[in-house]
Amino acid sequence: QQQVKQSPQSLIVQKGGISIINCAYENTAFDYFPWYQQFPGKGPALLIAIRPDVSEKKEGRFTISFNKSAKQFSLHIMDSQPGDSATYFCAAVNNNDMRFGAGTRLTVKP
Amino acid sequence: DAGITQSPRHKVTETGTPVTLRCHQTENHRYMYWYRQDPGHGLRLIHYSYGVKDTDKGEVSDGYSVSRSKTEDFLLTLESATSSQTSVYFCAIRDGSGANVLTFGAGSRLTVL
Repeated sequence: QQQVKQSPQSLIVQKGGISIINCAYENTAFDYFPWYQQFPGKGPALLIAIRPDVSEKKEGRFTISFNKSAKQFSLHIMDSQPGDSATYFCAAVNNNDMRFGAGTRLTVKP
Repeated sequence: DAGITQSPRHKVTETGTPVTLRCHQTENHRYMYWYRQDPGHGLRLIHYSYGVKDTDKGEVSDGYSVSRSKTEDFLLTLESATSSQTSVYFCAIRDGSGANVLTFGAGSRLTVL
């Protein structure tokens, strides 16, 4: 059973638009929620992360929104650029238990 | 990729043959992990290590074994490869302090015919 559900599987956005990727988790023991970005042929790399004591974290054009009561969190990419085209994975962590979503392939069209 | 090297990067093998993938780090990090990446499943943990000779199972450990005889090397072995083990395998490291951030290698693509 997938402990972290991620949607959509794929997303196409026009340059300058907003990309939104959603994740939901079940286990309330998770206490750290990172997002990883992966380009073709490369390993995933940490993009941004949040702890459940805050509802939002922003780094440049990337924002995580976190809803603890709903057990949901989302990644917003503002002013999306073709260089943002990649696969994005959300994750939920409790110590050594890190569960990943299935991934979202984002394509930003010029 | 930040001091992690995976080898081989690509391998094609036949069902029933043994396969060993190697992960080498130069960061002196305590924790090392092996994940597999499959479409529709994201990344799933196979095994991890929290020190030399200290390892534990992940969520998809059946058919895999690991060994860590030195801090810098973490080996993943498929004793008898099956077609269901065709995947991209990623090694990751974590230093164990501060935030729980994984640094991933570039991946090893394994095809079992």
